[in-house]
Amino acid sequence: GQNIDQPTEMTATEGAIVQINCTYQTSGFNGLFWYQQHAGEAPTFLSYNVLDGLEEKGRFSSFLSRSKGYSYLLLKELQMKDSASYLCAVMDSNYQLIWGAGTKLIIKP
Amino acid sequence: ETGVTQTPRHLVMGMTNKKSLKCEQHLGHNAMYWYKQSAKKPLELMFVYNFKEQTENNSVPSRFSPECPNSSHLFLHLHTLQPEDSALYLCASSQLAGSSYEQYFGPGTRLTVT
Repeated sequence: GQNIDQPTEMTATEGAIVQINCTYQTSGFNGLFWYQQHAGEAPTFLSYNVLDGLEEKGRFSSFLSRSKGYSYLLLKELQMKDSASYLCAVMDSNYQLIWGAGTKLIIKP
Repeated sequence: ETGVTQTPRHLVMGMTNKKSLKCEQHLGHNAMYWYKQSAKKPLELMFVYNFKEQTENNSVPSRFSPECPNSSHLFLHLHTLQPEDSALYLCASSQLAGSSYEQYFGPGTRLTVT
């Protein structure tokens, strides 16, 4: 079956760096997405990786290794507003998104 | 604001009621989606529409009935629901279904079935 694994919850300190990991096993691969979802709000798109390597977007970076079925989202200079759930999703060979259950990130002052 | 709106934001209904959820996108997209989000579970894709045609129905019970009158509007008609159907129902849109375009989500309807 298809599976996406990511930690349920992580805690980090304001100003620090945190890495949220995602491993996947899917039928084919057409890219990996990261979304951010604040409590009670819509998920919003953060990044898309389809080739191996690191993509940087301001304080957020996303890494992909297709051979390892692995990705991570790196958040630098953490701010209180980064407290949210981070959803990893993989697009399979049928271009259907397979979602992880999300990682709840708690930022402490 | 993501360009996708959903109404109502909250809905409480009894098991014998009939209600409808509405979604509208202002992004000029051609694909629209319904998802169910339950606590601590992955998003579950329910239905996909591409250019108003349904292209995906992920074994959703018939008590959920979608309607897509045009590429900008999507409805989810609900009847004789069960308590386990209580969840956040999210609508999303993208440029095209069956492609790598990112999806834009609405804020969701929090549904409680009593």
